[in-house]
Amino acid sequence: DQQVKQNSPSLSVQEGRISILNCDYTNSMFDYFLWYKKYPAEGPTFLISISSIKDKNEDGRFTVFLNKSAKHLSLHIVPSQPGDSAVYFCAASGTGGGNKLTFGTGTQLKVEL
Amino acid sequence: DAGVIQSPRHEVTEMGQEVTLRCKPISGHNSLFWYRQTMMRGLELLIYFNNNVPIDDSGMPEDRFSAKMPNASFSTLKIQPSEPRDSAVYFCASSRGHPPQHFGDGTRLSIL
Repeated sequence: DQQVKQNSPSLSVQEGRISILNCDYTNSMFDYFLWYKKYPAEGPTFLISISSIKDKNEDGRFTVFLNKSAKHLSLHIVPSQPGDSAVYFCAASGTGGGNKLTFGTGTQLKVEL
Repeated sequence: DAGVIQSPRHEVTEMGQEVTLRCKPISGHNSLFWYRQTMMRGLELLIYFNNNVPIDDSGMPEDRFSAKMPNASFSTLKIQPSEPRDSAVYFCASSRGHPPQHFGDGTRLSIL
């Protein structure tokens, strides 16, 4: 039972344009959401997070939006750069889950010149 | 600051052998996590510790897998006996008792 879903395995975007990565979840107990970026042969690196009391969090070129009623979050990268090419994982944690994170299966982003 | 350190980075061994993966968490972090990444199942949590105590091992696939955390700066994940289907990348992560978790660069395990 996949509680965190990233339905797009890959995404290709032109340099300078916006990248939008999507994530859906099913567990209503999730109240904290994170995005990680992963380069080949490296571990996932924390990028940005959002609490369920907010609907938007911004950090430089990265913005995460949360729609609780739709159980949907998205990561916007503006402007996209070639160095952003990586696999992006959505993750969620919640009350009753302790310190655990549940991860999506990832979206491979390719930013083309 | 040093990040999470995992060793070895690569391990190739024959089926039936014992495999031990090692992890040194970030100093001051009191939670430690072991994950396995495969193409089929993505990134799945195997076990996690708080203050050196195993809290949730529901993700450990079989009795062939065991994990220990003898002190705050060291943990091991052991597979005995190993099987080809155990081939995967194994990640260790640590945190200060709440997200975010910080990951090591993983151990790529190949069982022949």
